[in-house]
Order: sequence, then structure tokens, then C-alpha cells
Amino acid sequence: SQTIHQWPATLVQPVGSPLSLECTVEGTSNPNLYWYRQAAGRGLQLLFYSVGIGQISSEVPQNLSASRPQDRQFILSSKKLLLSDSGFYLCAWSSGTYEQYFGPGTRLTVT
Amino acid sequence: AQSVTQLDSHVSVSEGTPVLLRCNYSSSYSPSLFWYVQHPNKGLQLLLKYTSAATLVKGINGFEAEFKKSETSFHLTKPSAHMSDAAEYFCVVRPMFSGGYNKLIFGAGTRLAVHP
Repeated sequence: SQTIHQWPATLVQPVGSPLSLECTVEGTSNPNLYWYRQAAGRGLQLLFYSVGIGQISSEVPQNLSASRPQDRQFILSSKKLLLSDSGFYLCAWSSGTYEQYFGPGTRLTVT
Repeated sequence: AQSVTQLDSHVSVSEGTPVLLRCNYSSSYSPSLFWYVQHPNKGLQLLLKYTSAATLVKGINGFEAEFKKSETSFHLTKPSAHMSDAAEYFCVVRPMFSGGYNKLIFGAGTRLAVHP
């Protein structure tokens, strides 16, 4: 069966510091991968998606970037965090069917 | 443009009573539709999906939803609420022409509270 991992689970970072969130998927090959952000009291916002290694598409301009160095690894990064980057970050995957499967999420607080 | 509207931001029910969470979608073609549930500080879990087969879809934990094309609705129901059902629920549409990356459109969410 497929599983998806995200780490860390929680993170508190000062403004201006770098960020690296990692997502890995097990049990499937060549999945589509997604990064979402869920700000407090708001819905899900798609940040990035990837259909293959090294292929990244951004949905919205922002302070973040994404990379996919391996087939089942997806990384979300920032060089300098802003207060507005605080939120709940969710990684998801899909493969062969329409639904997406979500990881447990990372709670990021920028202070 | 495709969109999805969850008609209630908050729903409160008593334990053991029926649950109804309402969702309307806008789509020029037959979409795929989903309901996800999110418990506090957790990821989203797929409850059920409609992909142009039977219009009444049964999901996990006793939930079901009915696709009504004439009403462009996909309401989520459960005959008897349990305390553990308290969570946020998202109605989601995948447009028929979604591109190669399987884009989903999320509703704003409905927070379900269940009282003893």
C-alpha cells in the first residue's frame, strides 16, 4: 500500500531564516506530487505541482520554491521566510486515478 | 470556469442525529467529485468519490453522497452522527479538462460540530 510522509510535523522559524520541508511517497512510481498551503481559517491553496523528476510548476508567485530531486521526493524551500509564510503545509500525490492522497502536514509558524 | 460552493461554513448536530453537508458545483461538463475530511492538525482523508458511475456513492465511516446533475449538487449525508465525526469537510471537484497534472478545486470547507 502507498504511504506519504512529511517532516517535520511542526516548525517554528524566525523571519528571514531559510526553510526546507520534505515529503516522500512510498509504494507507487512516478506519482504526480503537490504542495498546498492552508492558512488559518482559509481553504487550501495549491502552491506547486510536479509530474516528474525536475519538473516543477508554480501556481502562484511567492517567496517559496519547490524541487523534486527523486521520483518520490518533493521538497518545499525558502531562502528567507516572511510572516505571511505561516500556515499548514500539505503534500499530496496522485497516480492513475483522479483523487489525491494527502500527507499528515507540517505546521509552520514564522515569528 | 469550474467552481465549488459549500453552502454552510458551520453545521452543528447532536450525536445520533442525521448529518447533511451541502455542496454545489459549477461545471460545463461532467466532473469528478470528492469529499474529504480533515481533523484538527491532520491531513485530508478521502471520504468518497464520484467518477460518473453510480450517482449514489458510499464512502467510509457511514457517509454517502448523491450526485444530482439537474441540481448540480453533491451533498454529503450520514444517518447518525458520532462524536468522532466532528471535523472540517471539503467538497472537491476535478474538472473534466484538468490538464496533465490532475488539478482539483476545493470548496471553502464546512466545520461540523457534534454535541452530546
